[in-house]
Amino acid sequence: DTAVSQTPKYLVTQMGNDKSIKCEQNLGHDTMYWYKQDSKKFLKIMFSYNNKELIINETVPNRFSPKSPDKAHLNLHINSLELGDSAVYFCASSRGGETIYFGEGSWLTVV
Amino acid sequence: KQEVTQIPAALSVPEGENLVLNCSFTDSAIYNLQWFRQDPGKGLTSLLLIQSSQREQTSGRLNASLDKSSGRSTLYIAASQPGDSATYLCAVDQAGTALIFGKGTTLSVSS
Repeated sequence: DTAVSQTPKYLVTQMGNDKSIKCEQNLGHDTMYWYKQDSKKFLKIMFSYNNKELIINETVPNRFSPKSPDKAHLNLHINSLELGDSAVYFCASSRGGETIYFGEGSWLTVV
Repeated sequence: KQEVTQIPAALSVPEGENLVLNCSFTDSAIYNLQWFRQDPGKGLTSLLLIQSSQREQTSGRLNASLDKSSGRSTLYIAASQPGDSATYLCAVDQAGTALIFGKGTTLSVSS
């Protein structure tokens, strides 16, 4: 069973569209994250949720809106997509301060 | 602001060689430090987690050390194999909330 699963794995879309990436974890963790890996492979935290509450919101454009309907899910919605949003988006989860488990990534290409 | 640096950026070694990957961080007030492996087109796999009170952790051929006061960690890989070829990422957790990553060391082990 996949511990942290995110869908879709690949997404190609046009500029200006709105898209969502879904993430689910079956590890019983209380904290979930979204990370962005840019073209230079640098990983940076975007958001962190603990028990459905937002605890970290880095300097991310407000076109990005995370939504956590419950502790096991953290979805990422992106409005008005731009070329610069092309990247790999990783969902992750942990039990506060312990090993973080990552999903396989979602490759977003904006054309 | 915490910054994590990994040296070297890339490393090529012949099979069987022992090697050391270096990681440094600017703020020693960390909660833990984690080493990850990332294969091309894949997510991150956690290798070792060292709590701030620990000095080292071992798993098989891998040994990670932590010197919090000097802001350094090393990942030692013994008897390297071609299957070890990947990008190795160091990350620090400052408040048990999210990881701050280095840019990684890309390792290539030739047979």
